[in-house]
Amino acid sequence: AQSVTQPDIHITVSEGASLELRCNYSYGATPYLFWYVQSPGQGLQLLLKYFSGDTLVQGIKGFEAEFKRSQSSFNLRKPSVHWSDAAEYFCAVGRYSSASKIIFGSGTRLSIRP
Amino acid sequence: DGGITQSPKYLFRKEGQNVTLSCEQNLNHDAMYWYRQDPGQGLRLIYYSQIVNDFQKGDIAEGYSVSREKKESFPLTVTSAQKNPTAFYLCASSSETSRTETQYFGPGTRLLVL
Repeated sequence: AQSVTQPDIHITVSEGASLELRCNYSYGATPYLFWYVQSPGQGLQLLLKYFSGDTLVQGIKGFEAEFKRSQSSFNLRKPSVHWSDAAEYFCAVGRYSSASKIIFGSGTRLSIRP
Repeated sequence: DGGITQSPKYLFRKEGQNVTLSCEQNLNHDAMYWYRQDPGQGLRLIYYSQIVNDFQKGDIAEGYSVSREKKESFPLTVTSAQKNPTAFYLCASSSETSRTETQYFGPGTRLLVL
């Protein structure tokens, strides 16, 4: 069965430091992968998505993610975080199913240290 | 501006009461979704609709009902059969129910039980 794992529940980084959020997936075929961000009490916004082609994907707000098939990973990165990046981040995988189209990870909460 | 609106922002339910959450979109999307979000968990799909007058159960449909009488509207009713309704409810839409399609989310409704 397809699944998405985000091993870090909560991460704190200093403003200006680099960031990497981990995502591992389990999927039998070529995965379709997404990263969404959720500000407190708000809906989700798409940061970026990967379907095929270049394994390094650029997204909005200066984020990027790299698809590594050998490691079944799709980690999100940002070279220098801003206080406004504090939010919850969800990795997701598109799947074939009659009941659901996208399965979400449990999320990683990002805090920014001044 | 195109987007998804959800109302109310907060909703209180008494024991044995049915409550209805509103979701409206003006993106001209065919597909609409309802998700439930609990602390520390990812989003779980309740129901989705690919077209007017048609909808399918998601992963956790028990205790919920929906209707899709208009393309732009997809209300969710939380019935008294749902024994643990306290959660954050998110509505989303996409141009089609494909696993590659970006889903656009509303701001959410927080449901609390009195």
